[in-house]
Amino acid sequence: DAGITQSPRYKITETGRQVTLMCHQTWSHSYMFWYRQDLGHGLRLIYYSAAADITDKGEVPDGYVVSRSKTENFPLTLESATRSQTSVYFCASPTTTPGLNTEAFFGQGTRLTVV
Amino acid sequence: GIQVEQSPPDLILQEGANSTLRCNFSDSVNNLQWFHQNPWGQLINLFYIPSGTKQNGRLSATTVATERYSLLYISSSQTTDSGVYFCVGGSARQLTFGSGTQLTVLP
Repeated sequence: DAGITQSPRYKITETGRQVTLMCHQTWSHSYMFWYRQDLGHGLRLIYYSAAADITDKGEVPDGYVVSRSKTENFPLTLESATRSQTSVYFCASPTTTPGLNTEAFFGQGTRLTVV
Repeated sequence: GIQVEQSPPDLILQEGANSTLRCNFSDSVNNLQWFHQNPWGQLINLFYIPSGTKQNGRLSATTVATERYSLLYISSSQTTDSGVYFCVGGSARQLTFGSGTQLTVLP
């Protein structure tokens, strides 16, 4: 099916463990984004990627690592999870027609709990 | 980067009432979207509206790009309209969320 999918949908992990959240899109869009959503803060940008092998920090990148070896995948890794990283994570990918308007598509979200 | 401000932050309505949500953005945008976050946390795309007016059932939206604002209208509200409404603006390189409007529709 065409679209953007995140996995897992729910994850519980322990403090100090490494965990990777996956994001996959089927359109070959250039840009992909990772956001986290916390009560009182709305959605904040963690990292984004403009193309394969091109990534950059967003507003709250500390404690996260991303990679983009293939255009369709944009995994987000918590190298050593902390309780403050308990959140809902959203992946997004906008269309990118040069010179024209863009429309963003979002995954269903991953609810991560760090205990 | 672009700033996106939404108002009001909270809104409580009686079922059947109409409402208007506003989104102001600090710079010109190639993307302006309205989302509804349902009780399960999913972001439901309501409108992609970088300019002009669109309608979908009881919902409509208008973006005046030259004045850098967008409005979301909800008519004859229903309890299922409750949730958080987000405005997202920017470009392919940067998508910025507003802080959202928490809408509660009472039966």
